[in-house]
Amino acid sequence: EPEVTQTPSHQVTQMGQEVILRCVPISNHLYFYWYRQILGQKVEFLVSFYNNEISEKSEIFDDQFSVERPDGSNFTLKIRSTKLEDSAMYFCASSEGQGMGETQYFGPGTRLLVL
Amino acid sequence: AQSVTQLGSHVSVSEGALVLLRCNYSSSVPPYLFWYVQYPNQGLQLLLKYTTGATLVKGINGFEAEFKKSETSFHLTKPSAHMSDAAEYFCAVRGNFGNEKLTFGTGTRLTIIP
Repeated sequence: EPEVTQTPSHQVTQMGQEVILRCVPISNHLYFYWYRQILGQKVEFLVSFYNNEISEKSEIFDDQFSVERPDGSNFTLKIRSTKLEDSAMYFCASSEGQGMGETQYFGPGTRLLVL
Repeated sequence: AQSVTQLGSHVSVSEGALVLLRCNYSSSVPPYLFWYVQYPNQGLQLLLKYTTGATLVKGINGFEAEFKKSETSFHLTKPSAHMSDAAEYFCAVRGNFGNEKLTFGTGTRLTIIP
């Protein structure tokens, strides 16, 4: 069964460093998402992406964050200058369409630790 | 805006007992509701979803949920718990056309007692 994959599974970085989290969505999906979960808190929406542009973003997704689909398979989340509070599990998701009942399929997550 | 409240961050049930995980939602428009499960070291997997139509929704692994508009609830149940059901369960809502994001609850960790 097709699945969303994410790399790396864990990443440790120093505050102020740039990190890139990578995702390979399901191949025929057109909509892509990033969510994050700070330890002990809710899963929170960051951004959605369609047709090579951001379609929606949350207030969390400030200028330090960016997303890109550099080729036909990868979808990346970049944090330019990491802060301690960026430590979280980051989930990538994809869906085939945008319908209200459309299922978003999630990857296993990347656990980011900022020191 | 939509929101979801999951009552009980931890629930323990005996193997073979009824599983009941509670979810209440708030939405200004008819909601679309989802239950996801997360097994250790894995991603979020869809258990079931309510869009329109029948209010009792059946999902994978013997789980089902009933949408009750009058109670703004979407509780998840399973008649007989199995050890493999131990996981974290998330309720989520999606409420506005064109608003693509899922809004999640805080999750409920289910422990099965042998």
